[in-house]
Amino acid sequence: SQKIEQNSEALNIQEGKTATLTCNYTNYSPAYLQWYRQDPGRGPVFLLLIRENEKEKRKERLKVTFDTTLKQSLFHITASQPADSATYLCALGMDSNYQLIWGAGTKLIIKP
Amino acid sequence: NAGVMQNPRHLVRRRGQEARLRCSPMKGHSHVYWYRQLPEEGLKFMVYLQKENIIDESGMPKERFSAEFPKEGPSILRIQQVVRGDSAAYFCASSPQGALAGELFFGEGSRLTVL
Repeated sequence: SQKIEQNSEALNIQEGKTATLTCNYTNYSPAYLQWYRQDPGRGPVFLLLIRENEKEKRKERLKVTFDTTLKQSLFHITASQPADSATYLCALGMDSNYQLIWGAGTKLIIKP
Repeated sequence: NAGVMQNPRHLVRRRGQEARLRCSPMKGHSHVYWYRQLPEEGLKFMVYLQKENIIDESGMPKERFSAEFPKEGPSILRIQQVVRGDSAAYFCASSPQGALAGELFFGEGSRLTVL
């Protein structure tokens, strides 16, 4: 069956450390993958998009990798800050249709 | 430049009533998507619309649910004869091009509670 999985438990990280979040999928062949941030009671906010032919993408303190062999994307936040605390969602996109397939998200807590 | 505007932010309905959720996309965006989110779950695609056209409604239940995006005015997601299972957050997103092209811009959502 098709699945997209993110860490179901909250991730607690000390301020200043690197936070790494995982997005694994099975039985999909995505053309691209997106990461979004969602705060409680708010809508998702786009962070990064990485295409299947790209290994890595960076934006300020954020880095995303995409391994189509392992069927996995890793999302890194370096020099983490309490303001980075939120739920992070990954979403797979297919060239064949318009729908994004979403993971349930990982709650990240950065402790001062 | 205003973002995606959704209203109402919160809506309470009794079983059997109708719920109408409205979404105004970002200026210049002609593509609108509706998603549903339950607590601790991922977003579930419902429908994709362009002005006056439904492009993909495969994620929307055939009964009781309908969506439109008229030439003038906001996109509307309509749920008739609501049931308790319809309680969820409904998010609207827009993009300047089709979903294949890149990021979606989301509204803050409409939270429907069915009593």
